[in-house]
Amino acid sequence: SQTIHQWPATLVQPVGSPLSLECTVEGTSNPNLYWYRQAAGRGLQLLFYSVGIGQISSEVPQNLSASRPQDRQFILSSKKLLLSDSGFYLCANRGVGGHNEQFFGPGTRLTVL
Amino acid sequence: SQQGEEDPQALSIQEGENATMNCSYKTSINNLQWYRQNSGRGLVHLILIRSNEREKHSGRLRVTLDTSKKSSSLLITASRAADTASYFCATALNTGGFKTIFGAGTRLFVKA
Repeated sequence: SQTIHQWPATLVQPVGSPLSLECTVEGTSNPNLYWYRQAAGRGLQLLFYSVGIGQISSEVPQNLSASRPQDRQFILSSKKLLLSDSGFYLCANRGVGGHNEQFFGPGTRLTVL
Repeated sequence: SQQGEEDPQALSIQEGENATMNCSYKTSINNLQWYRQNSGRGLVHLILIRSNEREKHSGRLRVTLDTSKKSSSLLITASRAADTASYFCATALNTGGFKTIFGAGTRLFVKA
């Protein structure tokens, strides 16, 4: 079975600092990977998805970028964090059943001060 | 705007009671999914119902889908304190592609 790892689990960063969040997947190959952001007490906002190495689709214009340097690695980055970037960031993999069900990692809690 | 909207936003019940959460969506879908999220954790996929299905069961979960009303409901029977969590509906659009759109969720609190 597949496992999704996210690093770090929590992060406190000052405004204007850079960001790098990592997501790695075990137990599957050629995954479709997703980055979501969840504001406190809210639903999930899809940020990026990737169907393969170097292939990134952006869903909303914002201060963030994503990269897929390896098949099972998905990275979320920012050059300069904003206060509004605070939130719970979730990485997910699309299930193999073809129904777009999502399997989530444990998440990274980001607080920008 | 959100594709899926859950109702109610929050629900508090006693252990042993049934909990019903509703979800409405706007566009044509391929399937609808329900997820659970414990506080501070990732989401866990609970159940999927296809657009040509009307009802589906999994243990204490019962999901219905009414495509004419663009709505779904999740029923948790004989609730337990451990069912306390947020529950989200999500839709895979009928236009194909790789996106699953999530609603804002219902926060369920089951009192022991």
